[in-house]
Amino acid sequence: QLVVTQSPSASASLGASVKLTCTLTSGHSQYAIAWHQQQPERGPRYLMRVNGDGSHIKGDGISDRFSGSSSGAERYLTISSLQSEDEADYYCQSWGAGVVVFGGGTKLTVL
Amino acid sequence: EVQLLESGGGLVQPGGSLRLSCGGSGTIFSRFAMSWVRQAPGKGLEWVAGISVSGGSTHYTDSVKGRFTISRDNSKNTLYLQMDRLRGEDTAVYYCAKADGRVVLNSFDSWGQGTRVTVPS
Repeated sequence: QLVVTQSPSASASLGASVKLTCTLTSGHSQYAIAWHQQQPERGPRYLMRVNGDGSHIKGDGISDRFSGSSSGAERYLTISSLQSEDEADYYCQSWGAGVVVFGGGTKLTVL
Repeated sequence: EVQLLESGGGLVQPGGSLRLSCGGSGTIFSRFAMSWVRQAPGKGLEWVAGISVSGGSTHYTDSVKGRFTISRDNSKNTLYLQMDRLRGEDTAVYYCAKADGRVVLNSFDSWGQGTRVTVPS
């Protein structure tokens, strides 16, 4: 069964970088995922798709501060030069075998 | 870029029905698969249902099978979610989401702002 897992929280200082992780269940380690950002009281916004080979395709208008990568069953979202508006919930999403699944989300706090 | 706008949410009693709509503008709506995703209060995102470009293929999460029906009218650039036999656990903000292509099970690259559905438990 396809499941994606995220840490519930992360924090980093203003101007620093942070790397968020999304882990796919074994047997699905080559699946692609998508990252979405949800700022407080707003709808989700698509950030990028990260493929199993580590390549990523960003959505329109997404800042260069956001990048994606991959290692084994893990998919990463790196945000550099953190800004206050980056404080948000970040969800990873994957799909296959008749379903679409979301991780539980990582709440990012910018200190 | 497509813009999506949901409507039709509201307060409905358990066992009742509601139909959500999602209007699309911009990029040609009929070229992409679409889905509904919901978010219960204080919780994460949950995929609900998806539909192919033609409407001929649909997929549902287990908890809504037999109660919800996704459909679309490409001539009106509109996606629908008919929700019957509603339960308290269906209380959520419902978002429509555009797939990144014609495949139903896919990444979502555009989202609406959501419409709230409340079912008292």
